[in-house]
Amino acid sequence: RKEVEQDPGPFNVPEGATVAFNCTYSNSASQSFFWYRQDCRKEPKLLMSVYSSGNEDGRFTAQLNRASQYISLLIRDSKLSDSATYLCVVRTGGGADGLTFGKGTHLIIQP
Amino acid sequence: ETGVTQTPRHLVMGMTNKKSLKCEQHLGHNAMYWYKQSAKKPLELMFVYSLEERVENNSVPSRFSPECPNSSHLFLHLHTLQPEDSALYLCASSQNRGSNEKLFFGSGTQLSVL
Repeated sequence: RKEVEQDPGPFNVPEGATVAFNCTYSNSASQSFFWYRQDCRKEPKLLMSVYSSGNEDGRFTAQLNRASQYISLLIRDSKLSDSATYLCVVRTGGGADGLTFGKGTHLIIQP
Repeated sequence: ETGVTQTPRHLVMGMTNKKSLKCEQHLGHNAMYWYKQSAKKPLELMFVYSLEERVENNSVPSRFSPECPNSSHLFLHLHTLQPEDSALYLCASSQNRGSNEKLFFGSGTQLSVL
């Protein structure tokens, strides 16, 4: 089983719709969780951290389900500029090498 | 502007060439990283330098050698690369190694090995 698994997509979503996707992780001792956004041919950028109680940042909501070992990202009122690849990142241990990246979910917002 | 600058942005090299990638961070961070991103694969950590440690991914071939002269600069020296080494090479930095460590990436070097 892969350590961090994401549906690669692409998810084709009309502008204004709500879209959600999940990321599962295999290590139950994982400590912290993040969503990064990566535009085509650009570097990844931190979108948001994921907290145990769930957190919201504008149109974006992130949630953590420790029992089922997944995190989710929900985007409301999607914009054309939301088109990107969303990377799930999990910290599975201490030390500088404790971060594990998923392959990413490709999202395409269509006009 | 991300605060982490990488040069060159693009690099084409033959298998017998020697080249170096450069990274500089202007954020005052104390940890720097090299990641490799190949098509259809997740980011793969290659090397880490921080105040406390240097970490190497044991699967990285010796034709890649890092150098970190200080906390702001990081190099990746390349020699006798193979075509399968073609990928996007990303430098990143972070402050400390806490549980909420956030990575700041440079714009990457797109490497093509012919």
